[in-house]
Amino acid sequence: DGGITQSPKYLFRKEGQNVTLSCEQNLNHDAMYWYRQDPGQGLRLIYYSQIVNDFQKGDIAEGYSVSREKKESFPLTVTSAQKNPTAFYLCASSRINGDTEAFFGQGTRLTVV
Amino acid sequence: AQSVTQPDIHITVSEGASLELRCNYSYGATPYLFWYVQSPGQGLQLLLKYFSGDTLVQGIKGFEAEFKRSQSSFNLRKPSVHWSDAAEYFCAVVPGGYNKLIFGAGTRLAVHP
Repeated sequence: DGGITQSPKYLFRKEGQNVTLSCEQNLNHDAMYWYRQDPGQGLRLIYYSQIVNDFQKGDIAEGYSVSREKKESFPLTVTSAQKNPTAFYLCASSRINGDTEAFFGQGTRLTVV
Repeated sequence: AQSVTQPDIHITVSEGASLELRCNYSYGATPYLFWYVQSPGQGLQLLLKYFSGDTLVQGIKGFEAEFKRSQSSFNLRKPSVHWSDAAEYFCAVVPGGYNKLIFGAGTRLAVHP
């Protein structure tokens, strides 16, 4: 079945450690996105990529990094510079034209202790 | 500032009652418009979308939405709510000329038996 897979579903890390969240899609979509979700704030865009080896910052990119070495994969690294990393992270993908919907993974809940 | 506004943070309705969730946007050109639904701890599922044409669009699970250009609105409606509709609902737009999805803060729907 085609879709987007995020792993792991739950992740615990100690403060000061970098952590990488995985996102893989087999929908042959060019565009991929990372969102952060906090209660009452909706989804805020962290990074997005429209083509391999290229990506753009979203609204809250500070403290995060991404790579897009393969069309299918768009991993997100939460670095120690991110001041409040505990959140629910959602990955999405879509075709390149704006008139198509985005498909979402099931999310990764990151807790930093 | 450009934004997507969902004025109602929480809404509670009785099962069988009608529902309307509000969404307004403040982008100059008519954007592409979407409604997504999210169950707790899950990813987002597309309910419906508007790109052009008929301003009343039908979606899954008995939902519909109406685009009103003069009001910059895209309100979601359902004539009779079921207990399984309890979830969080997000309005989203792809602004004209862009290829990124911008979300409202969400409306959490509770359904009383």
